[in-house]
Amino acid sequence: ELKVEQNPLFLSMQEGKNYTIYCNYSTTSDRLYWYRQDPGKSLESLFVLLSNGAVKQEGRLMASLDTKARLSTLHITAAVHDPSATYFCAVGRAGGTSYGKLTFGQGTILTVHP
Amino acid sequence: KAGVTQTPRYLIKTRGQQVTLSCSPISGHRSVSWYQQTPGQGLQFLFEYFSETQRNKGNFPGRFSGRQFSNSRSEMNVSTLELGDSALYLCASSPSTDTGELFFGEGSRLTVL
Repeated sequence: ELKVEQNPLFLSMQEGKNYTIYCNYSTTSDRLYWYRQDPGKSLESLFVLLSNGAVKQEGRLMASLDTKARLSTLHITAAVHDPSATYFCAVGRAGGTSYGKLTFGQGTILTVHP
Repeated sequence: KAGVTQTPRYLIKTRGQQVTLSCSPISGHRSVSWYQQTPGQGLQFLFEYFSETQRNKGNFPGRFSGRQFSNSRSEMNVSTLELGDSALYLCASSPSTDTGELFFGEGSRLTVL
């Protein structure tokens, strides 16, 4: 059974500083996704990582994937105007018959303080 | 391009009743998946449909069922509601390309009293 673990589960950030969320998964997988969820809202896709060594950046966010270590990291540079949000990693396999089945981590709740 | 649309957005039911939730995927997306989100269990996969066929099913009791229509729209049904079924039910569609990226709707928040 595939298991996905994130840490930390809570992150209180200071403006301008850098933080990292770690996402470990238990079995071989070739696809990893990062999503963001604002309170009371749906999931917004941030990154799709499809190969070992993949690195993607968007603004103050950067994600990477190490399939050998079964580890993905999400680096965040905090800004004071960032609202609280929960970040999820999810692991799945595309191709074949499993397009829509993802296993999600527990989520990391981020808050930013001035 | 319109996103994934779910209806209703909010609903309240009592134990023992049944509920049907609807999902319209992004135009051109043939894969629709359903997830349940609760504070205790997090996001859990319910089932996935592709071209009107259930392709995967999560570890949920038979009270949870779904279907997909020829226009890719999907419905899920929960019968004999229990208090523990209170959750946000999220639908996601996928273009079924190599990325497997899912696009989520706003969800249907079900409260069971």
